[in-house]
Amino acid sequence: SAVISQKPSRDICQRGTSLTIQCQVDSQVTMMFWYRQQPGQSLTLIATANQGSEATYESGFVIDKFPISRPNLTFSTLTVSNMSPEDSSIYLCSVETSFTDTQYFGPGTRLTVL
Amino acid sequence: KQEVTQIPAALSVPEGENLVLNCSFTDSAIYNLQWFRQDPGKGLTSLLLIQSSQREQTSGRLNASLDKSSGRSTLYIAASQPGDSATYLCAVQETSGSRLTFGEGTQLTVNP
Repeated sequence: SAVISQKPSRDICQRGTSLTIQCQVDSQVTMMFWYRQQPGQSLTLIATANQGSEATYESGFVIDKFPISRPNLTFSTLTVSNMSPEDSSIYLCSVETSFTDTQYFGPGTRLTVL
Repeated sequence: KQEVTQIPAALSVPEGENLVLNCSFTDSAIYNLQWFRQDPGKGLTSLLLIQSSQREQTSGRLNASLDKSSGRSTLYIAASQPGDSATYLCAVQETSGSRLTFGEGTQLTVNP
């Protein structure tokens, strides 16, 4: 399995500001993903974080709003830019190792935008 | 476009009862199906993963089945306990290394 940590665990931010969320894995992984879970809803994939190249975004999500970095095989960041109250969600990092098809999730970052 | 549906949306049972959670998906061409548990305000914990070639997987009191041709999976929980109270999510993966498509979840409450 993989142990994933996220920072911060929660934050309250003002409209128009940006927040960067960090995801750290205890082992090298091939695939890293960022999901959003809006209040009362299920998870939606934002993007796949690719090591050494630009992230691959899902329909409805753009790089200017959600820039992603992945400098190595154990770390990634997601920035939520120019935030509005509609960005209030739980943001989750997940990984898939090369040894198993199971996806493991981090504890999530609970973001509230006022 | 793959769609995943979970029934029921919420379930409340007395402790000790056996229960079944249902998951259906529209495109049967899946690579695997995974069941997760989510506690309030927390991340997801993987419970069981069933490969497309498998029919079921078991872990302790949990048993998950997969009928790929009919687009259905069930999660069976035996002898439920209050600690099983959580939201249970079903997710399908269409190819290796691709994203998961999630259902809306079943919120389970087990009453002492």
